[in-house]
Amino acid sequence: GQNIDQPTEMTATEGAIVQINCTYQTSGFNGLFWYQQHAGEAPTFLSYNVLDGLEEKGRFSSFLSRSKGYSYLLLKELQMKDSASYLCAVRDSNYQLIWGAGTKLIIKP
Amino acid sequence: GAGVSQSPSNKVTEKGKDVELRCDPISGHTALYWYRQSLGQGLEFLIYFQGNSAPDKSGLPSDRFSAERTGGSVSTLTIQRTQQEDSAVYLCASSLNWRGGRMNTEAFFGQGTRLTVV
Repeated sequence: GQNIDQPTEMTATEGAIVQINCTYQTSGFNGLFWYQQHAGEAPTFLSYNVLDGLEEKGRFSSFLSRSKGYSYLLLKELQMKDSASYLCAVRDSNYQLIWGAGTKLIIKP
Repeated sequence: GAGVSQSPSNKVTEKGKDVELRCDPISGHTALYWYRQSLGQGLEFLIYFQGNSAPDKSGLPSDRFSAERTGGSVSTLTIQRTQQEDSAVYLCASSLNWRGGRMNTEAFFGQGTRLTVV
């Protein structure tokens, strides 16, 4: 079966750095996505990785290792507005998006 | 349109009634996804369309749920004889087809339809 694993909940302090991990087992691989979802809102796109390595976009970076079936989302200089759920998704060989259950990130002052 | 549009944004219906939810994807997006999300939970996959065909219907919870897509654009999700457990936010997303390489083809989500069955 296909599976995406990510921690259920994480807590971090404002101004700090947090890393949210995602491991996957899917039928093929055509890219990995990270989305942010604030409570009561739709998910919004954060980052995309299709090749191994680090993609940096401002305070957010995403890393991919295809051989290990592993990715992480790194958030720097945390702000209170970063409190949200972070969803990892993999596009499989059938072009289907397989979603993790999301990691709820709680930012404390 | 500029983004994925879903209607209605909110729907309250009586148990046993049928409801129809609509999704207008971004123009030119051939892939369309329906998800369901209960409060505080992750995305529950319902159905995926590639053009007008649905290669994956495995997520539909029961035969009360059906979906169609016409003209490779608008999609409707129909729930017959609604039950209280159908109450959730129904999200639609669309994306371009991936053609390989580094080109990003992320899925764009609509704001969802909040369905409440009373």
